[in-house]
Amino acid sequence: SQQGEEDPQALSIQEGENATMNCSYKTSINNLQWYRQNSGRGLVHLILIRSNEREKHSGRLRVTLDTSKKSSSLLITASRAADTASYFCATDARGSYIPTFGRGTSLIVHP
Amino acid sequence: SAVISQKPSRDICQRGTSLTIQCQVDSQVTMMFWYRQQPGQSLTLIATANQGSEATYESGFVIDKFPISRPNLTFSTLTVSNMSPEDSSIYLCSAAERGQETQYFGPGTRLLVL
Repeated sequence: SQQGEEDPQALSIQEGENATMNCSYKTSINNLQWYRQNSGRGLVHLILIRSNEREKHSGRLRVTLDTSKKSSSLLITASRAADTASYFCATDARGSYIPTFGRGTSLIVHP
Repeated sequence: SAVISQKPSRDICQRGTSLTIQCQVDSQVTMMFWYRQQPGQSLTLIATANQGSEATYESGFVIDKFPISRPNLTFSTLTVSNMSPEDSSIYLCSAAERGQETQYFGPGTRLLVL
């Protein structure tokens, strides 16, 4: 399966610290996306990185992609309590336009 | 971007009954999808809702259990039929433009079957 797997499953940090989440996948991809889900809500798209890109930034978010290792990382710098949520990576295999979601990392940021 | 609403936001149902979930998008979109998310788990794609034709179901999901309608480019419904407690889950609607990878999600419908 193309499903990405996030690591760690759960992460608990203090406000102001950085949070790093990782995603590994199995086969070649067109792109990789990260989504956030606040408790009991829908998913919100955060950032997309294409297979020919190695790093991308958006505000306090930094995403890296290593296609040789089939892995990606999401870094949230200077975390805030409002960053508390589940974070999912989603990959779409070449030839498919529908992303497959991983199990997610549950992030708790303590004020 | 698209703004998506779902109704109902939550419901508690008795086993053997059916529930229809509505998904409304604020603009015309090419693709609409229905997902299921069980507590603490990932999203599982149920089907792609096709405008004017039958939905495309993923392995493990069938039309008799999850009939889907999509009468136009802004609206879709998912029915969970003959419910059992195993159907307790969050059901999410999403939309995307063909050729655009980003999906926009509704807030979800939290279903509890007793």
